[in-house]
Amino acid sequence: RKEVEQDPGPFNVPEGATVAFNCTYSNSASQSFFWYRQDCRKEPKLLMSVYSSGNEDGRFTAQLNRASQYISLLIRDSKLSDSATYLCVVTGDSWGKLQFGAGTQVVVTP
Amino acid sequence: DAGVTQSPTHLIKTRGQQVTLRCSPKSGHDTVSWYQQALGQGPQFIFQYYEEEERQRGNFPDRFSGHQFPNYSSELNVNALLLGDSALYLCASSVDRGQAQYFGPGTRLLVL
Repeated sequence: RKEVEQDPGPFNVPEGATVAFNCTYSNSASQSFFWYRQDCRKEPKLLMSVYSSGNEDGRFTAQLNRASQYISLLIRDSKLSDSATYLCVVTGDSWGKLQFGAGTQVVVTP
Repeated sequence: DAGVTQSPTHLIKTRGQQVTLRCSPKSGHDTVSWYQQALGQGPQFIFQYYEEEERQRGNFPDRFSGHQFPNYSSELNVNALLLGDSALYLCASSVDRGQAQYFGPGTRLLVL
């Protein structure tokens, strides 16, 4: 079983719509959680950290469910520029070894 | 404020050769991690350097080695290159070991 699993998609989303997707992780001792976005042939860029109480950054909302060991990302009012691969990232311990999912591809269409 | 920089951007090598990739962390960051990303996959953790020492290592063979310098910059060395080493090599830095990491643009390595 992979340590971090994501639905690869693609999620085809009309512009202005809402899209949500999850990621599950296997290590119950994981301490930190992040969403990164990666554009084609570019480096991953930090989108947001995910906190236990859930957090929002503009049109993006992240949730953490420790009991079920998943995190989620919701994008409201999707823009064409939101088209990217979204990487779920979990740290296995305090040393900061990031464990990445394979990514969920989102395609926003006009 | 310069972000994470890496050099070279692209590299072509042949099997059996050795390669050295370089990374300068974001200003104020002291921890550097290296990742390998194959096409269609998420980045895979190679190792992490803090205080000039390798602190953690992923499931990569000893052919992969590294170094961190007093100015926090880092090198990744790969010996006896295999075709399967062809990938995007990413360097990431953070202000502390458990904090969010910021990535450089990567080095694309092609092994022929």
